[in-house]
Amino acid sequence: DTGVSQDPRHKITKRGQNVTFRCDPISEHNRLYWYRQTLGQGPEFLTYFQNEAQLEKSRLLSDRFSAERPKGSFSTLEIQRTEQGDSAMYLCASGQGQEKLFFGSGTQLSVL
Amino acid sequence: RKEVEQDPGPFNVPEGATVAFNCTYSNSASQSFFWYRQDCRKEPKLLMSVYSSGNEDGRFTAQLNRASQYISLLIRDSKLSDSATYLCVVNTDKLIFGTGTRLQVFP
Repeated sequence: DTGVSQDPRHKITKRGQNVTFRCDPISEHNRLYWYRQTLGQGPEFLTYFQNEAQLEKSRLLSDRFSAERPKGSFSTLEIQRTEQGDSAMYLCASGQGQEKLFFGSGTQLSVL
Repeated sequence: RKEVEQDPGPFNVPEGATVAFNCTYSNSASQSFFWYRQDCRKEPKLLMSVYSSGNEDGRFTAQLNRASQYISLLIRDSKLSDSATYLCVVNTDKLIFGTGTRLQVFP
């Protein structure tokens, strides 16, 4: 499978715990995006990378959220001290330049 | 004001109907535009790009009006399988998604 893969598919955690998600993009893609989606809403932009450089982070994102893309390959998204409002689907997408994006299946986070 | 705005719907139409969705965007410097389709509990997938001159792909026609900053999607001869959420996407160096318009095609 050469598509975008995300791990885990589902994560249940208690409020206050830290969680980390992983995304493996399509290998030749230089751009990698993270989005968050809740029911009835479109994907909300969180941050994106061009190769290993993080180009922009949403102003809506608190300091509890951090993302990395070491060596311009896979990426991780960490949420510290999770809150119930963090419950959502976290989607990763990759693309080449500003061309179309290919999405992974997402990580569904539930914070209890 | 949201960067990309869409009517959330739902649009309930019978099979064979023609349905149109509009989307407005706020950043006049937006560079490229897309429509994505998202099925329930699935990830978004590209439906089509939107070009300045308008473009067609089978039953789907997309148009862009830069002066008015809106994008449209027309679906002709609706099929049951067209039932999904249609997301308008605008590229302003990063790709920004609208909230989506839900379409339900009934027999």
